[in-house]
Amino acid sequence: QVQLVQSGAEVKTPGASLKVSCKASRDTFTGYYLHWLRQAPGQGLEWMGWINPKSGGSDYAHNFMGRVSFTRDTSISTAYMEINSLTSDDTAVYYCARDRDYQLLRFCFDPWGQGTRVTVSS
Amino acid sequence: QSALTQPASVSGSPGQSITFSCTGTYSDVGAYNSVSWYQHHPGKAPKLMIYEVSNRPSGVPDRFSGSKSANTASLTISGLQAEDEANYYCSSYSTSTTLVVFGGGTKLTVL
Repeated sequence: QVQLVQSGAEVKTPGASLKVSCKASRDTFTGYYLHWLRQAPGQGLEWMGWINPKSGGSDYAHNFMGRVSFTRDTSISTAYMEINSLTSDDTAVYYCARDRDYQLLRFCFDPWGQGTRVTVSS
Repeated sequence: QSALTQPASVSGSPGQSITFSCTGTYSDVGAYNSVSWYQHHPGKAPKLMIYEVSNRPSGVPDRFSGSKSANTASLTISGLQAEDEANYYCSSYSTSTTLVVFGGGTKLTVL
């Protein structure tokens, strides 16, 4: 069973940028789409977009277009999510999650990373 | 405010059956058989419990089942156990600008 291991908690000031990593434990990294999601305190889950680790192609939810970018390094089976111009509204737990089916985009997330807690505060 | 509507909390006793609802629109739940359910114990990674409305991933007990009628999806847990106490989220593919929408989650308390 693949595991996704994310980078540790971050504290950022408003206006700063954030980069979160997500490392897959097995060699199937390039076979599955990878999604990023977040959950703000007391809120539900919010989908941010996906990256195809094989091609590097990506797509973003409307709310995040222009402020978020997804990249990957296939040599170390790691995906990255970078978000710019942070505000307090970006305080959340950020998750990476693999799409369920091999080489298909199903928007069904399994498994998930353990989450990265991000606090944006002055 | 979440796109899909879930009750905030549900409770039940061990051994009982309980059903969660997830109400969307003709643009999401009603349009596609792409409803998923996730179990989330606070501080842990969410876990997929049901996909494509009614399918269980391997390893998920058959006490968990899913269904859909029109714009409302449902998750049923039969034979409730203490370890089932968690938050449950539904999601669906959507024709909106946000391709995936979630419910606000239902907190299950096992009495």
